[in-house]
Amino acid sequence: KNQVEQSPQSLIILEGKNCTLQCNYTVSPFSNLRWYKQDTGRGPVSLTIMTFSENTKSNGRYTATLDADTKQSSLHITASQLSDSASYICVVRDSNYQLIWGAGTKLIIKP
Amino acid sequence: ETGVTQTPRHLVMGMTNKKSLKCEQHLGHNAMYWYKQSAKKPLELMFVYSLEERVENNSVPSRFSPECPNSSHLFLHLHTLQPEDSALYLCASSQAKTGASTDTQYFGPGTRLTVL
Repeated sequence: KNQVEQSPQSLIILEGKNCTLQCNYTVSPFSNLRWYKQDTGRGPVSLTIMTFSENTKSNGRYTATLDADTKQSSLHITASQLSDSASYICVVRDSNYQLIWGAGTKLIIKP
Repeated sequence: ETGVTQTPRHLVMGMTNKKSLKCEQHLGHNAMYWYKQSAKKPLELMFVYSLEERVENNSVPSRFSPECPNSSHLFLHLHTLQPEDSALYLCASSQAKTGASTDTQYFGPGTRLTVL
């Protein structure tokens, strides 16, 4: 069964610290993996997308990695800011255009 | 803003009410989606419209009825809902349902629905 598992479920860190969120998937056949950021009261907004051949992709202080062999991805946030408080959702697309969504990681940045 | 608007932002309704959610996209996209988002659960795809034709209906109860009068507007008609239907309902649009695999979905802010 195609699944996307995210960890941790929630995370609290101090402003200025770094953090890494994890995404493991069992989707096959794989097409691409995307990370979304969802602020409270808003819809998800795409941060990065990676295809099979890409190992890393950055968007400002956000860096996503992909290991297609182990079927794992991570999202690393550098020098966190209060505005990074949000839910981060990993979603994998298979070759049939189906999207398999993770449940998200809720990140809280404390001053 | 993402170019996708939803109204109302909040809705409280009784189980016998009839209400409608509205979504409008200003991006010139051809595909529109309804999702249900419950706390601590993955997004659940409810309906997909491509060029105003419904192409996907993921076993959604008949008390949810979608309508897509044109490529820019999408409605979700609600009737005799249950308390477990309380959730955030998100609308999204994309260039095409089966276009490039990297095609991005753009989401509206959602309607927070509470069924009493």
